[in-house]
Amino acid sequence: LAKTTQPISMDSYEGQEVNITCSHNNIATNDYITWYQQFPSQGPRFIIQGYKTKVTNEVASLFIPADRKSSTLSLPRVSLSDTAVYYCLVGGSNSGYALNFGKGTSLLVTP
Amino acid sequence: EAGVAQSPRYKIIEKRQSVAFWCNPISGHATLYWYQQILGQGPKLLIQFQNNGVVDDSQLPKDRFSAERLKGVDSTLKIQPAKLEDSAVYLCASSLVFSKGTGELFFGEGSRLTVL
Repeated sequence: LAKTTQPISMDSYEGQEVNITCSHNNIATNDYITWYQQFPSQGPRFIIQGYKTKVTNEVASLFIPADRKSSTLSLPRVSLSDTAVYYCLVGGSNSGYALNFGKGTSLLVTP
Repeated sequence: EAGVAQSPRYKIIEKRQSVAFWCNPISGHATLYWYQQILGQGPKLLIQFQNNGVVDDSQLPKDRFSAERLKGVDSTLKIQPAKLEDSAVYLCASSLVFSKGTGELFFGEGSRLTVL
């Protein structure tokens, strides 16, 4: 399984753009990169998924360089409600679907 | 669309007692997962079902944990006997596609277990 490394925590002010980078040096050819968000006392919630280049949806963007050894989740203009833990997962058909979440990145947004 | 249902939401037991958690996935979701989340850590996969068959249970402590998914729909996770270190939130998730890497996981709210 591809191991992921993320910063333990990040702080931001409201209205700023937040970029969280995840390293996954041993990503396999068929692996996808998926990000989840978790609020206290709730299960994780899917944010975005990508394979290469850039993916954008209504809440975030995901940037994946050509070598795919890292990825960056970008949250535009964060608000207080974006305070949560963000997890980067890597998995696919060849590496199995034992989708273990790492320790994640705890994002704190303040006024 | 109804989400993943779990019960009970909270359970307090003494060590060496047994406990069972129930999960009803989203209708039509073939894949079901049980995760254990200890405070301050990310969720750890315990077992994964595809319909009613086990895909991966390599991280399930089989001496005390068991899980089943009869008829390929709802599932039960049991712990017997419980240890103090089993105190955690047990999360159930389901996904529509037995994934080629694109299967989004839908999580329930979890069952919080405290072992005294």
